[in-house]
Amino acid sequence: QKEVEQNSGPLSVPEGAIASLNCTYSDRGSQSFFWYRQYSGKSPELIMFIYSNGDKEDGRFTAQLNKASQYVSLLIRDSQPSDSATYLCAVPLYSGGGADGLTFGKGTHLIIQP
Amino acid sequence: DTGVSQNPRHKITKRGQNVTFRCDPISEHNRLYWYRQTLGQGPEFLTYFQNEAQLEKSRLLSDRFSAERPKGSFSTLEIQRTEQGDSAMYLCASSSSDRGAEAFFGQGTRLTVV
Repeated sequence: QKEVEQNSGPLSVPEGAIASLNCTYSDRGSQSFFWYRQYSGKSPELIMFIYSNGDKEDGRFTAQLNKASQYVSLLIRDSQPSDSATYLCAVPLYSGGGADGLTFGKGTHLIIQP
Repeated sequence: DTGVSQNPRHKITKRGQNVTFRCDPISEHNRLYWYRQTLGQGPEFLTYFQNEAQLEKSRLLSDRFSAERPKGSFSTLEIQRTEQGDSAMYLCASSSSDRGAEAFFGQGTRLTVV
């Protein structure tokens, strides 16, 4: 059973600062990594995915992957109160891209303080 | 509305009753997933369809759970002889073959077993 570990938080960050969310995974064979955002009472929303070592940037979001350390992170620059949510890290259930389904971590609850 | 649609949004049932949920995926998506989420946890994979074929089913899934996607469009998830432990949010997601792992979630069906 693949495992995805996240600190449940809450992680409190002042508005305008950088929020750093971390995730470790157990299966060295994982090829792709996903970050979902989930507002309270809502369904998860895909915000980033990354396949290669290094950084991937999309607007205020940067995903960082280090396969050697089995570590993936999400950075949110210029944090806004609207970024307050639970952030879920996910890896494919099986080797491959994840089209067969995902294993999720428990999520990190992020609070952006105005 | 072109998103993933789930019905009903809420369901309260007595222990021992059967319940059925429906999911209508995004129309051009051939992949459909069911997940279950409880408070404080990430979504847990239940099953996966590609078109009408059920290709994956969680080994942790009780025989009381069954899912169908008879024409490769909408899907139903049935839980027989419900137990209090079945209380959760049941999430459906869909994706297309060319964007396999980029799954979009519906708003979920919240089940409460009393």
